[in-house]
Amino acid sequence: KAGVTQTPRYLIKTRGQQVTLSCSPISGHRSVSWYQQTPGQGLQFLFEYFSETQRNKGNFPGRFSGRQFSNSRSEMNVSTLELGDSALYLCASSSVTSGSTGELFFGEGSRLTVL
Amino acid sequence: GENVEQHPSTLSVQEGDSAVIKCTYSDSASNYFPWYKQELGKGPQLIIDIRSNVGEKKDQRIAVTLNKTAKHFSLHITETQPEDSAVYFCAAPLQGAQKLVFGQGTRLTINP
Repeated sequence: KAGVTQTPRYLIKTRGQQVTLSCSPISGHRSVSWYQQTPGQGLQFLFEYFSETQRNKGNFPGRFSGRQFSNSRSEMNVSTLELGDSALYLCASSSVTSGSTGELFFGEGSRLTVL
Repeated sequence: GENVEQHPSTLSVQEGDSAVIKCTYSDSASNYFPWYKQELGKGPQLIIDIRSNVGEKKDQRIAVTLNKTAKHFSLHITETQPEDSAVYFCAAPLQGAQKLVFGQGTRLTINP
């Protein structure tokens, strides 16, 4: 069974640009979460999607957005990039449906560098 | 909301010795406590988890203990090996959500 796939793995952008990151969850998983990982802040929750609906959102500005498609693939977008957005963006999928918590399967991440 | 604190931030042990990492959480309603291991260049991977109806769980050299009264849980690794070197994260859920709040991580180094 293929794991969680994230693309691109590495990318470099300049301030003010926007970026779109993609995540393909494990087949059959309908829940997809996104986390930002930085050395100073650790793993910070961005948002979670289930069946194309955003169920939870973290404390990030509106420049961070996401969506999920009918095949459970997800994308996140960051507009008007700032230097502080440089981070590893991790996607995780889960087979758990609603109202409970279970194992998250993480991808290898997309490392974004903003210059 | 949930707040998770993890200690120590770095830990260095001799190969063969034991390592212990501790976490505290704030939400007494939390009922699921996973531990993730992150190796260089990879995403975190679940290594063990415990639910609030048990106090201890073991899987070979790894064990997790939970003290709900004190709101803390710990990861114990015995007979450490070089491949145990990684960053370890504890986590607790936001109640009723598929959202995990992670500790700040512990960089474990096993010295040969």
